[in-house]
Amino acid sequence: EAGVAQSPRYKIIEKRQSVAFWCNPISGHATLYWYQQILGQGPKLLIQFQNNGVVDDSQLPKDRFSAERLKGVDSTLKIQPAKLEDSAVYLCASSLAGGAGKGTQYFGPGTRLLVL
Amino acid sequence: GENVEQHPSTLSVQEGDSAVIKCTYSDSASNYFPWYKQELGKRPQLIIDIRSNVGEKKDQRIAVTLNKTAKHFSLHITETQPEDSAVYFCAASRANSGYSTLTFGKGTMLLVSP
Repeated sequence: EAGVAQSPRYKIIEKRQSVAFWCNPISGHATLYWYQQILGQGPKLLIQFQNNGVVDDSQLPKDRFSAERLKGVDSTLKIQPAKLEDSAVYLCASSLAGGAGKGTQYFGPGTRLLVL
Repeated sequence: GENVEQHPSTLSVQEGDSAVIKCTYSDSASNYFPWYKQELGKRPQLIIDIRSNVGEKKDQRIAVTLNKTAKHFSLHITETQPEDSAVYFCAASRANSGYSTLTFGKGTMLLVSP
């Protein structure tokens, strides 16, 4: 079974520039998550999709971050404009379905973002 | 919202010793508690999980215990090996309306010395 795919793996940009990350979840997984992991900390959920609908975006900085999952499969996370504090690893995860017991999350390799 | 505290932040043991990592959570409605292992520069990987209807679960050298009354759960690794060296994250989740949101602890860096 193929795992969660993400691209790019690394990205270096200057502050105020824009950047986009792509994620392709495990085939058949209805739920997709974007996390931000700052160095030395645990992953923090940014947004969660169930198919193509948003179920939780309470921690997404909506003034600069946006995400979409138009066809209920792959997803794009965008930052515009980027700030220095956005430097982090952006992890995508997917699960078969929501709910305890069905919600085991499988993570992608992440995109490491450095904002200069 | 949920808050997960994890201790210790770093843990050094000798090969063959046991290691224990402890987490507490704040939301009494949380009912799913996974543990993830993250090696340097790699993705988090699920190593074991426990649901609120059981108190303990084992998988070879790894075990997790849950105390719902105290809102406390722990990861136990026995006979540690150098390849166990990694950052371990606990998490808590409350299934709600068909989906679950994980809240992670800050992680424990485990170093196993040969």
